[in-house]
Amino acid sequence: SAVISQKPSRDICQRGTSLTIQCQVDSQVTMMFWYRQQPGQSLTLIATANQGSEATYESGFVIDKFPISRPNLTFSTLTVSNMSPEDSSIYLCSGAGGPSYEQYFGPGTRLTVT
Amino acid sequence: AQSVAQPEDQVNVAEGNPLTVKCTYSVSGNPYLFWYVQYPNRGLQFLLKYITGDNLVKGSYGFEAEFNKSQTSFHLKKPSALVSDSALYFCAAEPRTGANNLFFGTGTRLTVIP
Repeated sequence: SAVISQKPSRDICQRGTSLTIQCQVDSQVTMMFWYRQQPGQSLTLIATANQGSEATYESGFVIDKFPISRPNLTFSTLTVSNMSPEDSSIYLCSGAGGPSYEQYFGPGTRLTVT
Repeated sequence: AQSVAQPEDQVNVAEGNPLTVKCTYSVSGNPYLFWYVQYPNRGLQFLLKYITGDNLVKGSYGFEAEFNKSQTSFHLKKPSALVSDSALYFCAAEPRTGANNLFFGTGTRLTVIP
């Protein structure tokens, strides 16, 4: 299994600003992902973070709004850019050993945009 | 469109009674299937998965799940519920495409009544 940590655990931000969320895995993982979970809702995949190359975004999510980096096999960042109140959500990162492997999730970052 | 359905938002069961949390999926190509549990203010924890083989899968904390291909279902079960099982449960499906991305159900809140 893998242990995943995220920073910050929560933040309150003003609209128009940007926030970068960090995700650290305690061991190398093949795949890393970023999800959004709105209060009381399910998880929606934002993108797959690819090591050394551009992330793969799901429909409805774009790089200009959610730039992602993954410089190595244990670390990734997600930036929420030009924030609006609609971006208020919990953002979770996960890691997995590959297809069919279970994903291990971080504790999430609770973002509130005012 | 690919989707996972959890028809019950809320399931209540008395402590010691058997529990079932339902899940059906509409994901092409015999997906891998997962159950995750989320406790308050914590990330998702992996419970069990179905890859192939025996239709009854055993997982963590005494949980098991039954895969039914004809009904495209993957219901989560436990013979005797504990109060500590109270949490939010998510079913997820991963297409066998190698992308490792998960489609999540909307979640079912399980409450075990003492």
